Amino acid sequence: NAGVTQTPKFQVLKTGQSMTLQCAQDMNHNSMYWYRQDPGMGLRLIYYSASEGTTDKGEVPNGYNVSRLNKREFSLRLESAAPSQTSVYFCASSAIDSTGREAFFGQGTRLTVV
Amino acid sequence: GNSVTQMEGPVTLSEEAFLTINCTYTATGYPSLFWYVQYPGEGLQLLLKATKADDKGSNKGFEATYRKETTSFHLEKGSVQVSDSAVYFCALSGGAGNFNKFYFGSGTKLNVKP
Repeated sequence: NAGVTQTPKFQVLKTGQSMTLQCAQDMNHNSMYWYRQDPGMGLRLIYYSASEGTTDKGEVPNGYNVSRLNKREFSLRLESAAPSQTSVYFCASSAIDSTGREAFFGQGTRLTVV
Repeated sequence: GNSVTQMEGPVTLSEEAFLTINCTYTATGYPSLFWYVQYPGEGLQLLLKATKADDKGSNKGFEATYRKETTSFHLEKGSVQVSDSAVYFCALSGGAGNFNKFYFGSGTKLNVKP
């Protein structure tokens, strides 16, 4: 069972470069999320998609864009990378039902912007 | 708004010691509550969950009880092992006006010494 797959696992960018982080899930989940994890700050929500065709901003959306390509895939784009975007990025997905659902996470992308 | 507060770490224990990691939350309605565990270099994995008041979630010797009167979901384990060393995150989802989002605490790092 693949679950949530993120690519790449590691990336080094120069300031001003752009890149897209890819995420795909095979659990037929409606909701997908992008988080960043920084030391001492837990996980902060960047963007989420409640269902195919919809996206919404989270806590820290500045400097990022997202695309919900289809039900399986949710990508995160950095148009002009900045050192402040050095972080570990996690994609997650979840089913929509009234109670008890949990989020499933990918293995993360470790991004360094120099 | 919704939020999760958990005790700061790191927590250092000797093997076979009793573990408590405190977690309190703020939310309207009846959210679901979760504990996630993150091992070094990996994504978050669900450890246990509870979906309504007085529910007890349990897994791998860990337990947590959903206490609505104290808005708490403290994680406990009677006898920790070295292999339990990881970062633990408390989270909530659902509740009034919050169907799709997850809110995470800042994480508590647990170190277990042999």
